[in-house]
Amino acid sequence: AQTVTQSQPEMSVQEAETVTLSCTYDTSENNYYLFWYKQPPSRQMILVIRQEAYKQQNATENRFSVNFQKAAKSFSLKISDSQLGDTAMYFCAFMKHGGATNKLIFGTGTLLAVQP
Amino acid sequence: NAGVMQNPRHLVRRRGQEARLRCSPMKGHSHVYWYRQLPEEGLKFMVYLQKENIIDESGMPKERFSAEFPKEGPSILRIQQVVRGDSAAYFCASSPVPSMLGEQFFGPGTRLTVL
Repeated sequence: AQTVTQSQPEMSVQEAETVTLSCTYDTSENNYYLFWYKQPPSRQMILVIRQEAYKQQNATENRFSVNFQKAAKSFSLKISDSQLGDTAMYFCAFMKHGGATNKLIFGTGTLLAVQP
Repeated sequence: NAGVMQNPRHLVRRRGQEARLRCSPMKGHSHVYWYRQLPEEGLKFMVYLQKENIIDESGMPKERFSAEFPKEGPSILRIQQVVRGDSAAYFCASSPVPSMLGEQFFGPGTRLTVL
């Protein structure tokens, strides 16, 4: 069974600074997707960034980028130039590719507070 | 194109009552997923449905919980004889094709409170 671990329950960063959120996962699969979702106080789940395991190049979306280390089963999220609106709970998630089901397996989340 | 819609947004039930949560997927999406988020926890998969079929219900409690996605109308998550431990946020997500880039689009959730 796959598991996703986020070892940082809470983090804080100053506005305009850079912060990195950690995520590790355990799987025997070779093809899968990894995601970072953001959940602001509104509780809406918002996709931040996605990585396909077969791609060696790290995904980037504007101020958000990942450091995907497949051999180490690590998938960290870097937020550059942090903004107050980045304050939210961040969840790392795993999805097996090509299976009969496509359930997302989530970590327990990291609460990020961006300080003015 | 409207996003995934869930209603009600908030639902209060007394112990022993039934809760019905509705989810309308995005237009063109025929795959629906339900997740539960207990207080201070991450989302946990419950069930995956396609139109008129349950594909994977491995995350759903065997008793009191059921889900359906009829040919016409929204997907329904039904909880019978609710208990306090059912208090949680229930999220629905949809996708057009299950493995197409893997992305699921989430609704705003229904927060269930059991008194």
